[in-house]
Amino acid sequence: SQQGEEDPQALSIQEGENATMNCSYKTSINNLQWYRQNSGRGLVHLILIRSNEREKHSGRLRVTLDTSKKSSSLLITASRAADTASYFCAQRKADRGSTLGRLYFGRGTQLTVWP
Amino acid sequence: EPEVTQTPSHQVTQMGQEVILRCVPISNHLYFYWYRQILGQKVEFLVSFYNNEISEKSEIFDDQFSVERPDGSNFTLKIRSTKLEDSAMYFCASRHRVLDLNEQYFGPGTRLTVT
Repeated sequence: SQQGEEDPQALSIQEGENATMNCSYKTSINNLQWYRQNSGRGLVHLILIRSNEREKHSGRLRVTLDTSKKSSSLLITASRAADTASYFCAQRKADRGSTLGRLYFGRGTQLTVWP
Repeated sequence: EPEVTQTPSHQVTQMGQEVILRCVPISNHLYFYWYRQILGQKVEFLVSFYNNEISEKSEIFDDQFSVERPDGSNFTLKIRSTKLEDSAMYFCASRHRVLDLNEQYFGPGTRLTVT
């Protein structure tokens, strides 16, 4: 199975602290995307990192990718209560036959940031 | 900022009934997807669609499911005869017409409850 897994399953921190979430996957990827989901709501795209990239930044977000270990991490710096949500990584396989690139999601990390 | 929209936000139906879930993708996107998320589980791919054809479908997407782009803006998912296990959040996603832009943008979802 391509599907990745995030860890930890749940993370609870204080406002101002950094939050690090990890994602592992099983087969070669074209890219990896991180999404946020507030409780009962839709998926918000956060950041995409391609297989030939090692690190990417967007505002308070930093994503790393280690294709040799088949893992990625999402770092949220100086977290806020509004960052409370579930965070998912989703992989697009390195599959020439699937040009539309279905995504494979993990179970997510539930992040709680306390004020 | 353009976004994917979905209607209705919540649909309650009886087992055996047909439902149609509607999506309006972002206007300059040409690649469309449906995913679902059963409560507490992973987001799962259902189907991808391009140029008025299904590009790929998962094992979940059996003969009870169909997709259509009836006009230039809507993208629909029909479930012919709903089962209890079809209860889930259904997410529509779309992707830009340029293949290199890999980000999939998701709608807010339709919560389907089958009783």
